Amino acid sequence: NAGVTQTPKFRVLKTGQSMTLLCAQDMNHEYMYWYRQDPGMGLRLIHYSVGEGTTAKGEVPDGYNVSRLKKQNFLLGLESAAPSQTSVYFCASSYSNPYGYTFGSGTRLTVV
Amino acid sequence: AQSVTQLGSHVSVSEGALVLLRCNYSSSVPPYLFWYVQYPNQGLQLLLKYTSAATLVKGINGFEAEFKKSETSFHLTKPSAHMSDAAEYFCAVTSNRDDKIIFGKGTRLHILP
Repeated sequence: NAGVTQTPKFRVLKTGQSMTLLCAQDMNHEYMYWYRQDPGMGLRLIHYSVGEGTTAKGEVPDGYNVSRLKKQNFLLGLESAAPSQTSVYFCASSYSNPYGYTFGSGTRLTVV
Repeated sequence: AQSVTQLGSHVSVSEGALVLLRCNYSSSVPPYLFWYVQYPNQGLQLLLKYTSAATLVKGINGFEAEFKKSETSFHLTKPSAHMSDAAEYFCAVTSNRDDKIIFGKGTRLHILP
């Protein structure tokens, strides 16, 4: 089993550029999440989804959009990247709450 | 609203010594509590979880945690530290009424030879 796969693993963007991060899971999980991790801040929830076609805002949603058109995929979009979005982004999935998450290995994004 | 507070952003212990990482939670409903570990340049892995069964929870790699409602704590322990335990550890909370987990800010564990 691949578990949770994030692509790309690394990316450098210029301010104002757009990009999409892809998260794919092969465990038939209903719930999927996008977090960002910054030094000293822990993990902060950006957006999440409790099923195909649903999305909801987390703690820090501004500047990001998401889509869950297929159950196995959860996309995170940055329409106009800013240096403040430099971070490590983690995707996670779960059968449901509160079973705990399976995490991807992360995407390291730098915005210059 | 639920929250967790991890006491100490950095903890150093000698190899072979007791590991104690502290976590206090706040929840208005019965909580479910987790400890995750993150090794360098990797994602988070579940160490153990408390879901209202036994208050002493055993996890992987010799770690365990005890749920103490009276102290609103869920501290993580390991009797004897190993160099391979060096990592960042995250405490987290949720409930059966929520659809997301709230993470603490993390504690980086350093093992001294």
